[in-house]
Amino acid sequence: GESVGLHLPTLSVQEGDNSIINCAYSNSASDYFIWYKQESGKGPQFIIDIRSNMDKRQGQRVTVLLNKTVKHLSLQIAATQPGDSAVYFCAENPYSGAGSYQLTFGKGTKLSVIP
Amino acid sequence: DAGVIQSPRHEVTEMGQEVTLRCKPISGHDYLFWYRQTMMRGLELLIYFNNNVPIDDSGMPEDRFSAKMPNASFSTLKIQPSEPRDSAVYFCASSFRAAAGYTFGSGTRLTVV
Repeated sequence: GESVGLHLPTLSVQEGDNSIINCAYSNSASDYFIWYKQESGKGPQFIIDIRSNMDKRQGQRVTVLLNKTVKHLSLQIAATQPGDSAVYFCAENPYSGAGSYQLTFGKGTKLSVIP
Repeated sequence: DAGVIQSPRHEVTEMGQEVTLRCKPISGHDYLFWYRQTMMRGLELLIYFNNNVPIDDSGMPEDRFSAKMPNASFSTLKIQPSEPRDSAVYFCASSFRAAAGYTFGSGTRLTVV
C-alpha cells in the first residue's frame, strides 16, 4: 500500500535485537496516544496505547514510553522478528473538549528487519 | 467480527467521473472516520461521525467530496467529479468511544486517470 512517504525515516534492525522507534508530538494538550503498525497493502493496525497520566505501558514484546516534558513518545519492540517489518505510526488525540475524539497521525517510520 | 469492511478494494476511474467508496463499521462502534493516505501527505483525516452525525468535516478537501452515514452500519464517501490528484488510498475506521483506538479497514486504492 501507499504507506511510505518520499522521505520516510527508516530503521534497520538485526533480527533478535531490540528496536526503538521515536515520535515527537506537537500538542501539549494531547491526552491519548497510540502506536499503529501498517504492513504493505493493509490498513494500520493498533499496537498499544497510553494515556497522558502514565509514562510507561507494556504489552507483549512492546513498550511505549511517554515523556510529556519534551513531547516525545517511543515504541520499543523486544527481540525484533521479520514479521515486525512495517511502517509504524504514532498518533495523538489533541483533546479539544467533551466528545471530541480524533487522532492526528505522524508521518511514520519504516522498520526493516534483517534476517 | 469481520472488522471494518470497505469496498471496493481497488477503483480505477476516468477524470470527471463520480466515485463512491463504501464502509461498514464494526457493529456497536459509535465513531466512524474517513482518512486519505498519500506518499506526500501521509494519513489525513477527512471527516468523522459520532452516532451517525458528522462532527468535523474540516479535512474534506473541497466541495467535490461528500460523506454520508445514513445508519449505524453504513457510510459512503463520494467524489464528484473526480480528479487525478484524488488518487490515494482511502481508509475507513471505527471506534467505540475513545476506549482503544481505531480499527481500520483494508482501504480502497483509488486511481483517477
